[in-house]
Amino acid sequence: QKEVEQNSGPLSVPEGAIASLNCTYSDRGSQSFFWYRQYSGKSPELIMFIYSNGDKEDGRFTAQLNKASQYVSLLIRDSQPSDSATYLCAVNPGGADGLTFGKGTHLIIQP
Amino acid sequence: DADVTQTPRNRITKTGKRIMLECSQTKGHDRMYWYRQDPGLGLRLIYYSFDVKDINKGEISDGYSVSRQAQAKFSLSLESAIPNQTALYFCATRRGNEQFFGPGTRLTVL
Repeated sequence: QKEVEQNSGPLSVPEGAIASLNCTYSDRGSQSFFWYRQYSGKSPELIMFIYSNGDKEDGRFTAQLNKASQYVSLLIRDSQPSDSATYLCAVNPGGADGLTFGKGTHLIIQP
Repeated sequence: DADVTQTPRNRITKTGKRIMLECSQTKGHDRMYWYRQDPGLGLRLIYYSFDVKDINKGEISDGYSVSRQAQAKFSLSLESAIPNQTALYFCATRRGNEQFFGPGTRLTVL
């Protein structure tokens, strides 16, 4: 079974610090990798996607991918209280449509 | 106006009842998806559709059926609802590798 693993948290980070969220996946054929943010009771919204090994930066967010280690991470710089949410890692498994999601990490930014 | 809409937004029903959840989109995307989300389990794929004539089962299709009435409409049915189908249901569309989620339907089966 294709799995995506995340630490459920909660992960508590002081305002202004860097939040680091991690994700591992089991399917080596996975092609693309996504980070979604979900506020309580709301729908997931895409933050970033990454396809290639290395780092991808977008504003305060950096996604990191290491396919050899089957590891994806999301760094949030200068964390703000509004970043407090559940962050979902999702993977597009090889040869399949739809996304396989992790259970999410609950992030709390402390003012 | 929202690009992906779901109706109803909340529904309480009883065991054994038939229920339909509806999804409409104005994004013009061919691919549509139904997911359910349970506390502590994340989102899981129920069904997906590439177009009106192409329907595919996802990870947890048992107990569900779908209908793609048009490019813009994709409905999810529970023929005989059971309590463990209580969950938050999301419809989504796809452009390239990006999925766009609707606001969700909170379904409670008593």
